[in-house]
Amino acid sequence: KNEVEQSPQNLTAQEGEFITINCSYSVGISALHWLQQHPGGGIVSLFMLSSGKKKHGRLIATINIQEKHSSLHITASHPRDSAVYICAVYRGGGADGLTFGKGTHLIIQP
Amino acid sequence: DSGVTQTPKHLITATGQRVTLRCSPRSGDLSVYWYQQSLDQGLQFLIQYYNGEERAKGNILERFSAQQFPDLHSELNLSSLELGDSALYFCASSDLRGVGEQFFGPGTRLTVL
Repeated sequence: KNEVEQSPQNLTAQEGEFITINCSYSVGISALHWLQQHPGGGIVSLFMLSSGKKKHGRLIATINIQEKHSSLHITASHPRDSAVYICAVYRGGGADGLTFGKGTHLIIQP
Repeated sequence: DSGVTQTPKHLITATGQRVTLRCSPRSGDLSVYWYQQSLDQGLQFLIQYYNGEERAKGNILERFSAQQFPDLHSELNLSSLELGDSALYFCASSDLRGVGEQFFGPGTRLTVL
């Protein structure tokens, strides 16, 4: 079983819809990252969370440390939001890299 | 633009060969991470350097090695290449030794024929 599980794997929605992508992890963590990867391959960091909730524009990320679960929400989705969204955890201890989920492939249709 | 640069963008080589991938972190960042993204394994952590010293090792093969130089740029050396080494290789930088936002470079796409 992977240490970081994302759902759904694939999601197709219509423009304007509210989108939720879920991430569950099975290890203790210091922080959780949400990343966006566009078809060209580049990776952009969207959020880093260790507790609570963060908002940036139409994107909202939440984390529940007790339940080992995080969600990424996109409000008023737009075709330019089409990308792969990747959840990654940092276990901490100062000497570690990120452990990644397999990603959610999101397509927003006009 | 994350401020992290990687060269080359694309690399095509043959099995058995050796290649070097280069990464320059964001100005002021002391930590460099190397990641491999392949179709079957997804994204995997390879190795981390902090201020010139190796800090952590992930799923890095013995045929692979890395170093971070005094000017903080880093190189990932891949030798005795196999078809399965074909992947996107990303570096990321952070200003912290541990927990901190990581900024990803554009990646190097390696194709081994």
